Amino acid sequence: KQEVTQIPAALSVPEGENLVLNCSFTDSAIYNLQWFRQDPGKGLTSLLLIQSSQREQTSGRLNASLDKSSGRSTLYIAASQPGDSATYLCAASGTYKYIFGTGTRLKVLA
Amino acid sequence: DAGVTQSPTHLIKTRGQQVTLRCSPISGHKSVSWYQQVLGQGPQFIFQYYEKEERGRGNFPDRFSARQFPNYSSELNVNALLLGDSALYLCASSLPGLDGRTLHFGNGTRLTVT
Repeated sequence: KQEVTQIPAALSVPEGENLVLNCSFTDSAIYNLQWFRQDPGKGLTSLLLIQSSQREQTSGRLNASLDKSSGRSTLYIAASQPGDSATYLCAASGTYKYIFGTGTRLKVLA
Repeated sequence: DAGVTQSPTHLIKTRGQQVTLRCSPISGHKSVSWYQQVLGQGPQFIFQYYEKEERGRGNFPDRFSARQFPNYSSELNVNALLLGDSALYLCASSLPGLDGRTLHFGNGTRLTVT
């Protein structure tokens, strides 16, 4: 049974700092690993998707890596801004569903 | 292009009642999934539908049911509501298959059961 864990549960950093969010999963037989952002009371916004054959994906200030053998993914945010404050969720896909972690709640202080 | 749309945005129901939630996928997306997100937790998978057929079901009781229509929109029905059904219900659509396919979510329906 796939389990996804995210550490830390919450993080508070000053503006401009680079940071790393961690995601681990127990079953390496995944199709994709997707990172999402969720603002309070809202739906999920897709940030990056890494296919099982890929090692990393980049979009602007975001970089996500995937190491299937160790069951880990990281989301790197460069030069953080107050607008980055949100909950970040990672999800590992099986045949027809995604298994989500509980998220990391990020607060970037101005 | 419109994203995934869900209705209603908020709903208050009493224990024992029934509720229907609606979802319209992104144009061209034939796969629709439903997730339940309890406050402070990650979303939990409920159903996936593709081409009007159920392709996957999560660990939810039979009180939960869904269907997909010929235009690929979908409804989630929950019968005999319990207090524990209070949650944000999220609908997501994607192109067929999960390999390399981004999951796109709507803003959800906030269900409160009193």
